[in-house]
Amino acid sequence: QVQLQESGPGLVKPSETLSLSCAVSGYSISSDFYWGWIRQPPGKGLEWVGSIYHSGSSYYSPSLKSRVTISLDTSKNHFSLRLTSVTAADTAVYYCARGLSGSFFDYWGQGALVTVSS
Amino acid sequence: QSALTQPPSASGSPGQSVTISCTGTSSDVGGYNYVSWYQQHPGKAPKLMIYDVTKRPSGVPDRFSGSKSGNTASLTVSGLQADDEADYYCGSYAGSNNMFFGGGTKLTVL
Repeated sequence: QVQLQESGPGLVKPSETLSLSCAVSGYSISSDFYWGWIRQPPGKGLEWVGSIYHSGSSYYSPSLKSRVTISLDTSKNHFSLRLTSVTAADTAVYYCARGLSGSFFDYWGQGALVTVSS
Repeated sequence: QSALTQPPSASGSPGQSVTISCTGTSSDVGGYNYVSWYQQHPGKAPKLMIYDVTKRPSGVPDRFSGSKSGNTASLTVSGLQADDEADYYCGSYAGSNNMFFGGGTKLTVL
């Protein structure tokens, strides 16, 4: 059974960098599939942040592209999200998920709330 | 490009059917057969219910079905049950390795 688990600081100061990690168990991230990040501001809808293919090619939301980096760490079987220059608008629950064909996600983590505040 | 358009709410009585729409453009919903639907209960992660417009993952009841006409995709839930009460989101591939989600629809079982 594939399982994903997000981890990282729950509080980040404005203008700093948000960093989250997603540990994957039950499947090797270097074997296949996309591995993505989706966020959800409190009380609002889902927003795709970006995805990385098992080969290492990454794809980002056009609205976040200048601030986002997603990377793989195959030795630890996890992948990571970095979002720079954060503001209060980046406050959200961040989900990591497994993607197929780059168009949908079948396994999701439980989510990690990140609050941007001084 | 912006989020796909969904009605903010939908409702139905137990046993009835309800359909939720998801409207995009020819660059996303209308251009690819890559529409997905997710169910989200409060405080929980989204759950994949439909992918590739009409396909159901293993374990999803056949009461859930998807379709598409032009730039609008639809999710139909038949034989409504209390546990179907949740938020539903559509998603669509939008080319160039991009994807978008809809704004979400809150389904109430009366």
